[in-house]
Amino acid sequence: QQQVKQSPQSLIVQKGGISIINCAYENTAFDYFPWYQQFPGKGPALLIAIRPDVSEKKEGRFTISFNKSAKQFSLHIMDSQPGDSATYFCAASKSARQLTFGSGTQLTVLP
Amino acid sequence: DGGITQSPKYLFRKEGQNVTLSCEQNLNHDAMYWYRQDPGQGLRLIYYSQIVNDFQKGDIAEGYSVSREKKESFPLTVTSAQKNPTAFYLCASSIHEKETQYFGPGTRLLVL
Repeated sequence: QQQVKQSPQSLIVQKGGISIINCAYENTAFDYFPWYQQFPGKGPALLIAIRPDVSEKKEGRFTISFNKSAKQFSLHIMDSQPGDSATYFCAASKSARQLTFGSGTQLTVLP
Repeated sequence: DGGITQSPKYLFRKEGQNVTLSCEQNLNHDAMYWYRQDPGQGLRLIYYSQIVNDFQKGDIAEGYSVSREKKESFPLTVTSAQKNPTAFYLCASSIHEKETQYFGPGTRLLVL
């Protein structure tokens, strides 16, 4: 089974700080890497996604950095806010089908 | 108001009982998916369907069954063969299988 390894399991950041979550994958055929945000009792919502033809994608305070040679990608949340407190999942797939999810990171942003 | 709806929000199952979780979408999406989420774990794919009257097993299909008789509906049955059914079940859909998946609000299944 293809795996996506996500770290850390939990993260505590002060308001205004930078939150960084990392993921590593094994299958070199993966070509789609989304990040999902999930609040308690809710379904995950797509946050941002990247394909391996670029090394970085930014949307507002959220940035994905992608390192194809290392088979790693990460989510950076700039100026973290208490409202960002949620569980974040990375995922990977080939052509956006059959997503393989990481185990999740519970982010807490302290006011 | 377009989106994916799941019902019920909470569902209780007795020993030996089959229960069915509902998933409906009005987004005109072709592909639909069922995932299971356990505490502290990522989502695991149970079944997926690319078109009406067709579906494939995911990574953890044992003890579950699905049907896809209508494009907008993809119900999941948790059978008595699923010995550890307590989990949060999430339905998702995408325009077709190669596009971004959008998730419903989930159903939490508990065993009495």
